[in-house]
Amino acid sequence: GAGVSQSPSNKVTEKGKDVELRCDPISGHTALYWYRQRLGQGLEFLIYFQGNSAPDKSGLPSDRFSAERTGESVSTLTIQRTQQEDSAVYLCASSSGTGHLLQYFGPGTRLTVT
Amino acid sequence: DAKTTQPPSMDCAEGRAANLPCNHSTISGNEYVYWYRQIHSQGPQYIIHGLKNNETNEMASLIITEDRKSSTLILPHATLRDTAVYYCIVRVAGYSGAGSYQLTFGKGTKLSVIP
Repeated sequence: GAGVSQSPSNKVTEKGKDVELRCDPISGHTALYWYRQRLGQGLEFLIYFQGNSAPDKSGLPSDRFSAERTGESVSTLTIQRTQQEDSAVYLCASSSGTGHLLQYFGPGTRLTVT
Repeated sequence: DAKTTQPPSMDCAEGRAANLPCNHSTISGNEYVYWYRQIHSQGPQYIIHGLKNNETNEMASLIITEDRKSSTLILPHATLRDTAVYYCIVRVAGYSGAGSYQLTFGKGTKLSVIP
């Protein structure tokens, strides 16, 4: 069956530009998560959606970061006025919602800010 | 969450069984053992989980000691594609309180499968 997909797979942008990263979760998964992983580092939690609501946005690094989810499906992570420190792999995961520890990850979007 | 300890690295010959240990001596009765792996340049991948009985799926087997203080992930016939960092996590399943949805990994074990 189809897994979690993310697009684009790679994004190179100039400092100061806005970017949108897309996540398509596994069909029927009510929970969706965004993480960031810098090179050689661990997972950094960004935000969690249950349905279309985000009970916890505490991981978003600054007000330049925002995310939304529509139709209890697709989610978009938007980074405004990108900075070089935003360079990382952005990972999306989904779960059935009954088991947060059983998360299925997408391949990630590698963002490079020049 | 119970703390876990894993060796930083291991080698395994291709075609042989890879046995990855994890110590979790402070595990409590309602905590599960989960294993994930992360292949270079890919997202983390769930492998298997268990509470106290041994578990097997199409990817691996999980052996948990009777006292539950340690476990071993077994990849029965390692291939080059199994080269990855393997993470052992101990968490209460079904808990929906604050932070329960944040997946965090320790250092893990870097498994290198050698041709």
